Amino acid sequence: SAVISQKPSRDICQRGTSLTIQCQVDSQVTMMFWYRQQPGQSLTLIATANQGSEATYESGFVIDKFPISRPNLTFSTLTVSNMSPEDSSIYLCSAGGERYEQYFGPGTRLTVT
Amino acid sequence: QKEVEQNSGPLSVPEGAIASLNCTYSDRVSQSFFWYRQYSGKSPELIMSIYSNGDKEDGRFTAQLNKASQYVSLLIRDSQPSDSATYLCAVNIDGTASKLTFGTGTRLQVTL
Repeated sequence: SAVISQKPSRDICQRGTSLTIQCQVDSQVTMMFWYRQQPGQSLTLIATANQGSEATYESGFVIDKFPISRPNLTFSTLTVSNMSPEDSSIYLCSAGGERYEQYFGPGTRLTVT
Repeated sequence: QKEVEQNSGPLSVPEGAIASLNCTYSDRVSQSFFWYRQYSGKSPELIMSIYSNGDKEDGRFTAQLNKASQYVSLLIRDSQPSDSATYLCAVNIDGTASKLTFGTGTRLQVTL
């Protein structure tokens, strides 16, 4: 299984600003994913990040708001842009395994004031 | 209609009993099924995967899959207080093998 780290673990940001979340995997993986989890709710997929190509966004999420980079097979970033209080959530990255399982990082708890 | 459905619970079972968690899914072509455990304030942890009909056992955990009924379950034998968590069912949907859809989770409480 992959070991995944995320930075920062938490942050408090002012509305209108942007935050970039970093995700590092301890091995090379083809697929990485970014999720959002609101308190008490399940995971919602934001986008799939493939190395060497544009990220694929799910309905309701756009690149201008959530730009994603995937410069190599072990690293990805998610930026939450022009933040509002509605963006307060836990953001999780995951790495895809050989049989379509996913392994999650510890998450980034974001509070927008 | 939700694509992956779970009873939100809480499901309360006494210590040492069997906990049975259920999940139904809407996509008949789904091929990959996973159970994750999520403790409060933590990220999801993969505990079981199953790909073919029948049972798969791993320690105290057994995953059961019935593709005809579009149903997957997780049994936890000899439940311990440390099993108290939310259990998320995840299924690949829309024929996209790598993309998972998660249920809303079932909260399990194991009582002393």
